[in-house]
Amino acid sequence: GNSVTQMEGPVTLSEEAFLTINCTYTATGYPSLFWYVQYPGEGLQLLLKATKADDKGSNKGFEATYRKETTSFHLEKGSVQVSDSAVYFCALIGSSNTGKLIFGQGTTLQVKP
Amino acid sequence: GAVVSQHPSWVICKSGTSVKIECRSLDFQATTMFWYRQFPKQSLMLMATSNEGSKATYEQGVEKDKFLINHASLTLSTLTVTSAHPEDSSFYICSANRDREGNTIYFGEGSWLTVV
Repeated sequence: GNSVTQMEGPVTLSEEAFLTINCTYTATGYPSLFWYVQYPGEGLQLLLKATKADDKGSNKGFEATYRKETTSFHLEKGSVQVSDSAVYFCALIGSSNTGKLIFGQGTTLQVKP
Repeated sequence: GAVVSQHPSWVICKSGTSVKIECRSLDFQATTMFWYRQFPKQSLMLMATSNEGSKATYEQGVEKDKFLINHASLTLSTLTVTSAHPEDSSFYICSANRDREGNTIYFGEGSWLTVV
């Protein structure tokens, strides 16, 4: 079945450091890929998405490229801020497109001043 | 602003009682909504798919009689945790698709349930 695997956290960085959170997936066909962010005490917010191979999703300085050949969707940001501290979830919707999201386990990011 | 709203955001109930959580799509009709559950420091797990006008589809391992889902209208789905126990304490969150392609998904704010 479909699954998503993220790098384990927590990830602790200093402000303005470069961020990478790895995400790989297993799925048949061509899933759509997502990154969601959950700030402390809040619900999920869509950060970015990509719906086909080689697409790059971007938002708020974050980027992720849909790599079919490596089944990956790594999240990157060139310079993190304290306000980026949150839990980040990689997720996919299978090619059957029922709207069911399969989530990775989440990666906690802590950015220190 | 929010396009999917959940209520209540926080609820504390006694063991043995039932709690109802509502999920509303505010400016679009959603024939399908999804209910997820998140334990502390863990990922979100899909519990069930709520289908307007028909029975919900539950994921393996989720008790249908424990977690009652009703999707009586195109803008409202409810999750009722029946005979709640402390182990049901969790973060429950719903989602709804805005478009047919299923790629515009909005989440509610989530509901924190504590059973004492």
